[in-house]
Amino acid sequence: DSGVTQTPKHLITATGQRVTLRCSPRSGDLSVYWYQQSLDQGLQFLIQYYNGEERAKGNILERFSAQQFPDLHSELNLSSLELGDSALYFCASSGGTYEKLFFGSGTQLSVL
Amino acid sequence: AQSVAQPEDQVNVAEGNPLTVKCTYSVSGNPYLFWYVQYPNRGLQFLLKYITGDNLVKGSYGFEAEFNKSQTSFHLKKPSALVSDSALYFCAVRDITLSGGGADGLTFGKGTHLIIQP
Repeated sequence: DSGVTQTPKHLITATGQRVTLRCSPRSGDLSVYWYQQSLDQGLQFLIQYYNGEERAKGNILERFSAQQFPDLHSELNLSSLELGDSALYFCASSGGTYEKLFFGSGTQLSVL
Repeated sequence: AQSVAQPEDQVNVAEGNPLTVKCTYSVSGNPYLFWYVQYPNRGLQFLLKYITGDNLVKGSYGFEAEFNKSQTSFHLKKPSALVSDSALYFCAVRDITLSGGGADGLTFGKGTHLIIQP
């Protein structure tokens, strides 16, 4: 068990809809990262938060947004969903700049 | 931009034989390199990392990796493969060019399926 909790594990929705993915980092970790994993794109970095502030952006679409709350949990919001957004979304946390990432088990999003 | 390449989609090895999973990288400065493993229906797990120092890095489950600066490679190795090593392996590099300055998000390769045959 990595200590990172993601909910829900599975999500099925329709095109055009909006969903929220939730992540609770390991106790004490201030950094939260979101990744998207798909067969064609591999593992893509989306965004990083550190202690409530956005720290880095990767290949995140404008339809996607995230935030980190005072209790350090994070949410990834995906809106105007398209078929191509179907993927496994991972959250990870770390305790420092050069520390390893701890990954959650992911949320499998299926857009029909 | 910084990138990682894993040239093999799949590597097949007989149990008990040595294994190598290849990784090459491209960075603007000094690389910080990682290997992660993903088992089915699980998140990624850390295996090992290279920040600085000895070019041979030892990690979890008997894995090691050799950093070669001249060849810009960081190949994952294990002297004797186990069937339980079968999984998806990711090489990653710390991308210091991401927006936000000081960011430590990792850039991952596409992954290599390692299949150990009994």
